[in-house]
Amino acid sequence: QLQLQESGPGLVKPSETLSLICTVSGDSIRSSSYYWGWIRQPPGKGLEWIGSINYSGNTNYNPSLKSRVTISADTSKNQFALKMTSVTAADTAVYYCARLSPRVPGWLDPWGQGTLVTVSS
Amino acid sequence: QSALTQPPSASGSPGQSVTISCTGTSSDVGGYNYVSWFQHHPGKAPKLMIYEVSKRPSGVPDRFSGSKSGNTASLTVSGLQAEDEADYYCSSYAGSNSYVFGTGTKVTVL
Repeated sequence: QLQLQESGPGLVKPSETLSLICTVSGDSIRSSSYYWGWIRQPPGKGLEWIGSINYSGNTNYNPSLKSRVTISADTSKNQFALKMTSVTAADTAVYYCARLSPRVPGWLDPWGQGTLVTVSS
Repeated sequence: QSALTQPPSASGSPGQSVTISCTGTSSDVGGYNYVSWFQHHPGKAPKLMIYEVSKRPSGVPDRFSGSKSGNTASLTVSGLQAEDEADYYCSSYAGSNSYVFGTGTKVTVL
């Protein structure tokens, strides 16, 4: 059964870099059938698309976050990662990873349980 | 990209129907037949309920249905059950492999 699990520090200081990893089990991130993405949800707010990466390492980012975000993949560990620089309190959120279908835009399934990242000194 | 607009809340008694709207623009909802709906029970992973406006993934009850007219998409939950109480989010493809999500609707089963 395909599962995604987010991991990383739960607390990041302002101006520092947020780093998260999504570990995939039950499927290979090298599969050309899927992309892998990050989504976040600030407390009390809605979901926000961050970006995605495909099997060949091509990435796409939310234009509003593009200057601060990098998504990368480690195929040897079947993981993909999110780095967000110069964080502020506005980046406090639950961060989710999900599998996407390139042939069916909008197919995001499954999702990980999410991990809360708080930006505070 | 601005968030798609959803009503903050919706409610219905068991067995009744509830419909949630999702309003965007011609650059997202109106421009593509790639609207999805997700059910989110707090603390759990969001679950895909509808994709491509009206298609249901395997295992999703047919009580859940989707539609679209112009820049507004809708999710209808018929025969409400207690387990349907959750937050619901729409999303739309917005071009260039990017997506925009809705503001979310809390569905309460009275």
